[in-house]
Amino acid sequence: DTGVSQDPRHKITKRGQNVTFRCDPISEHNRLYWYRQTLGQGPEFLTYFQNEAQLEKSRLLSDRFSAERPKGSFSTLEIQRTEQGDSAMYLCASSPPRGYEQYFGPGTRLTVT
Amino acid sequence: AQKVTQAQTEISVVEKEDVTLDCVYETRDTTYYLFWYKQPPSGELVFLIRRNSFDEQNEISGRYSWNFQKSTSSFNFTITASQVVDSAVYFCALTQKDSGYSTLTFGKGTMLLVSP
Repeated sequence: DTGVSQDPRHKITKRGQNVTFRCDPISEHNRLYWYRQTLGQGPEFLTYFQNEAQLEKSRLLSDRFSAERPKGSFSTLEIQRTEQGDSAMYLCASSPPRGYEQYFGPGTRLTVT
Repeated sequence: AQKVTQAQTEISVVEKEDVTLDCVYETRDTTYYLFWYKQPPSGELVFLIRRNSFDEQNEISGRYSWNFQKSTSSFNFTITASQVVDSAVYFCALTQKDSGYSTLTFGKGTMLLVSP
């Protein structure tokens, strides 16, 4: 039974570039979440999908951020025109249809130089 | 709005000591779930336990135990006979019914260092 996977694990990019991250949830988990975690802080919610529908977005998610889950399976998170303040760990999680606990992937660490 | 406070930033213990990690939460909802997660140095958050607001029974799982008290809005986590492998950052988190249980609100975490 594989867990949540994320790709890439690390990304270094220059300010102004676009980046895209991928998340593959645990199979049969219909809910998928994106969080951001900075050093010394707990994860902060960004957005949530139930199947392919994006049901909630945090105010943290500026217009430069977009997330998709086109077929209700994997999801992508894109950041356009990256800024140094976007440097963080981006975490993906999924949960089963009738469960409330979220299972997290290993994260993608983004460094914007 | 909901909030989770973990007042202990870092705790250092020697192996075999017992240690308690504190968690205090705020919510206006009467129906909610509380969680503990472990984040070892590798970085991946590991789910430890879920508790719903209607179940105040304490729970024990091996060396881990949890004490949930609604009267003080606390959900504390005790590790008995700590081991070096317990070294990690531990997060307490909350989700509530009026958000559709869609978001987890995390505390800032407590870093536990267990030395041999």
